Amino acid sequence: DAGVIQSPRHEVTEMGQEVTLRCKPISGHDYLFWYRQTMMRGLELLIYFNNNVPIDDSGMPEDRFSAKMPNASFSTLKIQPSEPRDSAVYFCASRKSGLTNEQFFGPGTRLTVL
Amino acid sequence: SQQGEEDPQALSIQEGENATMNCSYKTSINNLQWYRQNSGRGLVHLILIRSNEREKHSGRLRVTLDTSKKSSSLLITASRAADTASYFCATDDGGYNKLIFGAGTRLAVHP
Repeated sequence: DAGVIQSPRHEVTEMGQEVTLRCKPISGHDYLFWYRQTMMRGLELLIYFNNNVPIDDSGMPEDRFSAKMPNASFSTLKIQPSEPRDSAVYFCASRKSGLTNEQFFGPGTRLTVL
Repeated sequence: SQQGEEDPQALSIQEGENATMNCSYKTSINNLQWYRQNSGRGLVHLILIRSNEREKHSGRLRVTLDTSKKSSSLLITASRAADTASYFCATDDGGYNKLIFGAGTRLAVHP
């Protein structure tokens, strides 16, 4: 089975540009999570969806960040406009409702904003 | 604020030695999980221990949970160079959907 797929793997952009990160969860998983990882703040949950509906976006840092999940197999995290402090590794994870809440992580997108 | 805090922040050992990492958390939990992250990769789930369990084994991994002290430990026995990675504990906050990760322990196993 394919795991969680993220694209691009690396993104370098200039301050003020729009950035879109993409995620394809594992087929059959009904929860999707977006995380951000930095040395200073560790791994932070930004937002999560259940059955394509955003459930908790309290971790989204500010209005420049938005996330969508138009269907069960695709989600995007958009930053507009981007700032240097947004530089981080962004992870998408998914899981299936059931007995455990174990999450499966994608390989991450390393974002650098110059 | 972080729910889980790992200790130590970094650990350096020789192959064949055992590695012990600790995690403390703040609120009641349903379960506690440990994940591994190799450099430049995503996190990989290692083991889950439920709040009514005290110890669990999986291969060379042994996890303990003390809910009275709100702490857990991960023991890796007979470590290998391939165990070099960062290890994170993750807890829920009494709910079930969100996981809160600690800052991690960086383990280096030298051949």
